[in-house]
Amino acid sequence: AQTVTQSQPEMSVQEAETVTLSCTYDTSESDYYLFWYKQPPSRQMILVIRQEAYKQQNATENRFSVNFQKAAKSFSLKISDSQLGDAAMYFCAYRPLQGGSEKLVFGKGTKLTVNP
Amino acid sequence: DTGVSQNPRHKITKRGQNVTFRCDPISEHNRLYWYRQTLGQGPEFLTYFQNEAQLEKSRLLSDRFSAERPKGSFSTLEIQRTEQGDSAMYLCASSWGDTEAEAFFGQGTRLTVV
Repeated sequence: AQTVTQSQPEMSVQEAETVTLSCTYDTSESDYYLFWYKQPPSRQMILVIRQEAYKQQNATENRFSVNFQKAAKSFSLKISDSQLGDAAMYFCAYRPLQGGSEKLVFGKGTKLTVNP
Repeated sequence: DTGVSQNPRHKITKRGQNVTFRCDPISEHNRLYWYRQTLGQGPEFLTYFQNEAQLEKSRLLSDRFSAERPKGSFSTLEIQRTEQGDSAMYLCASSWGDTEAEAFFGQGTRLTVV
């Protein structure tokens, strides 16, 4: 069974600085997607960034980028120039590309605090 | 489009009662998902619909749980004979197209069983 592990229950960062959130996963599949979702307090979860496992190039979305290490099964999220609005729970998630399953497998999340 | 809508937002019920939640996906989204999120945990998959067909169910979806998506539009999730362990946030998400498509989540229904 696929599993996703986020080893940092909480992280904090000063406004305008950079923070990296860690995620590791376990799968026997070779093709899959990895995601980072953001869940602000009392608001819906939104997609931050997505990585296809067959792409070697790390995904980037404005201030958000990932470090995808397929062999190590590691998928970290880097947030640059942190803003107060980045404060939220961040969830790493996995979904296989094949095999018929549509489900996302989530980690337990990392609570990010941004200090002014 | 206002996004994925879930009702009610909060529900308090006594143990043993039945509850039903509703999810209205984004218009024309053919895929709809239900997840459950307990305190301190990430969302856990419950079930998935493509149009009106329920194509995947988790082992978490016991006999007390049933989900429907008539006509491939809105969906309902019913829990019969609720237990305290059912207390959680129930999230609905929808997407359009294939596996690559982004899933959009609703704000969830928070269930408290007393």
